[in-house]
Amino acid sequence: EAGVVQSPRYKIIEKKQPVAFWCNPISGHNTLYWYRQNLGQGPELLIRYENEEAVDDSQLPKDRFSAERLKGVDSTLKIQPAELGDSAVYLCASSLRGLAGGINTGELFFGEGSRLTVL
Amino acid sequence: SQQGEEDPQALSIQEGENATMNCSYKTSINNLQWYRQNSGRGLVHLILIRSNEREKHSGRLRVTLDTSKKSSSLLITASRAADTASYFCATDGGYGNKLVFGAGTILRVKS
Repeated sequence: EAGVVQSPRYKIIEKKQPVAFWCNPISGHNTLYWYRQNLGQGPELLIRYENEEAVDDSQLPKDRFSAERLKGVDSTLKIQPAELGDSAVYLCASSLRGLAGGINTGELFFGEGSRLTVL
Repeated sequence: SQQGEEDPQALSIQEGENATMNCSYKTSINNLQWYRQNSGRGLVHLILIRSNEREKHSGRLRVTLDTSKKSSSLLITASRAADTASYFCATDGGYGNKLVFGAGTILRVKS
């Protein structure tokens, strides 16, 4: 079974430029997460989708970050314009997390991440 | 914001020794999970312990949970060089709540 696939693995851009990251979750996983991980820190949630719906985007800096999950499968995370402080690893994860009354396995499956460097 | 706090921040041991990492958290949880991250890679789920469980084993891993103290520990027995990685605890407050990660413990196992 294929795992969570992310691209690109590395991206170097000048500040004020746009950048986009793509994620393909594990087939059948209804919940998708974007996390940001700064150097030496744990991942911090940016946005969580259940199917197509963004159910938690409270930590997403909406002035410059946007995300979408069309058809409830693949997802893209965009930053426009990028700032120096956006340099980090952007991790995508998926899980089979149930809706109310449903099954919640709890475990997250992560991709390898996209390392962004803003110069 | 990160709920879990791991202790120690870094740990260096010899191959064959046991490694113990601790995690403290602040609010009530549905479950607590431990993940491993090798350098430059994504996180890999190791073990999940539910709030009504006190201890769980998986291979060389032993996890304990004390909800009265809001703390958990991860023990890796007979460590190997391949165990060198960062280890994160993550707390799950249940449906509708997000999984919150701590800052991690960096484990180095010397051969």
